[in-house]
Amino acid sequence: DTGVSQDPRHKITKRGQNVTFRCDPISEHNRLYWYRQTLGQGPEFLTYFQNEAQLEKSRLLSDRFSAERPKGSFSTLEIQRTEQGDSAMYLCASSLTGGGYTFGSGTRLTVV
Amino acid sequence: AQTVTQSQPEMSVQEAETVTLSCTYDTSESNYYLFWYKQPPSRQMILVIRQEAYKQQNATENRFSVNFQKAAKSFSLKISDSQLGDTAMYFCAFEYTGTASKLTFGTGTRLQVTL
Repeated sequence: DTGVSQDPRHKITKRGQNVTFRCDPISEHNRLYWYRQTLGQGPEFLTYFQNEAQLEKSRLLSDRFSAERPKGSFSTLEIQRTEQGDSAMYLCASSLTGGGYTFGSGTRLTVV
Repeated sequence: AQTVTQSQPEMSVQEAETVTLSCTYDTSESNYYLFWYKQPPSRQMILVIRQEAYKQQNATENRFSVNFQKAAKSFSLKISDSQLGDTAMYFCAFEYTGTASKLTFGTGTRLQVTL
């Protein structure tokens, strides 16, 4: 297992377009997290899955954001009608219950 | 809700010297974990060190050690014998040990190690 993979690494999109990011966690990890990190700030929690169930969503996750984790494996994060304020690094992490977190390299989104 | 505060936006240290990064947190929980993560430029977040709140003994990991003061809600990171490869953003993070646990991060300290 090569760790947590995120795709794409970089995404440039025009305002108003939809984008989708993918995260492949470590295969035996049952928990998967999405975080957003803006320049010079710490990561902010967006949402969290245990297996395929989405257990918590931050109030940062507006109606334009949706995340899925079908079959408890990979996860996708979709942003509809992107806005310039959505520009950020989107980080995915996975863990076992009670275990440490492994982070992916992130997807950097730029909305122009 | 938990909050994590890192009051030092930037720090600089010479190679081979020792530096201490500060972190304070606020929580009403009694069972939790504290972490220091390192994020090198354009690279992924990696775990430096972890401390369980129920343990009085401070965690150490090679050149990295913490000073955990539970009553004061303080969790500082000491880096000894600093190396150029230690240059990175350092984030302090908190995790409640309940069923819906997640990491709450501070705003980070940018550490520059110089020759």
